[in-house]
Amino acid sequence: GENVEQHPSTLSVQEGDSAVIKCTYSDSASNYFPWYKQELGKRPQLIIDIRSNVGEKKDQRIAVTLNKTAKHFSLHITETQPEDSAVYFCAGTVSGNTPLVFGKGTRLSVIA
Amino acid sequence: DAGVIQSPRHEVTEMGQEVTLRCKPISGHNSLFWYRQTMMRGLELLIYFNNNVPIDDSGMPEDRFSAKMPNASFSTLKIQPSEPRDSAVYFCASSTKTETQYFGPGTRLLVL
Repeated sequence: GENVEQHPSTLSVQEGDSAVIKCTYSDSASNYFPWYKQELGKRPQLIIDIRSNVGEKKDQRIAVTLNKTAKHFSLHITETQPEDSAVYFCAGTVSGNTPLVFGKGTRLSVIA
Repeated sequence: DAGVIQSPRHEVTEMGQEVTLRCKPISGHNSLFWYRQTMMRGLELLIYFNNNVPIDDSGMPEDRFSAKMPNASFSTLKIQPSEPRDSAVYFCASSTKTETQYFGPGTRLLVL
């Protein structure tokens, strides 16, 4: 089955800098990759997703890139703000077939 | 849309007692997932249902855990008897097919 690895486990950046979180997956059939943000004491919430038919997707300060050949995808946050501090989870699945497989999470701290 | 609803939001019980967690998925979603989240083990998928039918319960830690989905709008996760190591946050999530999952607010369980 699918296995999703996520790095780094913790990340600290200065406010205004960029943050990059990387994930790799094992199942070449996987075609749907969402990213979730979980603030302290809250539920995981979807922030952006990408399907295997595109290589990049942007939404304001966040973007996700996908390299199907290398089987990895990344989350990019630009101009980080303190409210970006949270745990971020990547996930992958074969759409409509199996549940999402989540990475272990990255704790992002944005230092003002 | 009210989103995924879980109850109770907090539960404190004594070891050996039965605990029942409840979930109402988003109307129209046909997949439902139960997760457990701890600092040590991260986000673990316990069981998921498609169209009210349990598909994979391999994540259920022991026979003390059971889950049901009697209809499309209600599911329960039961722990009997509960143990201190069951203390965690339990999330319910729902989706159409098995793609983007929308999480409920979670139930914070403490077993003394």
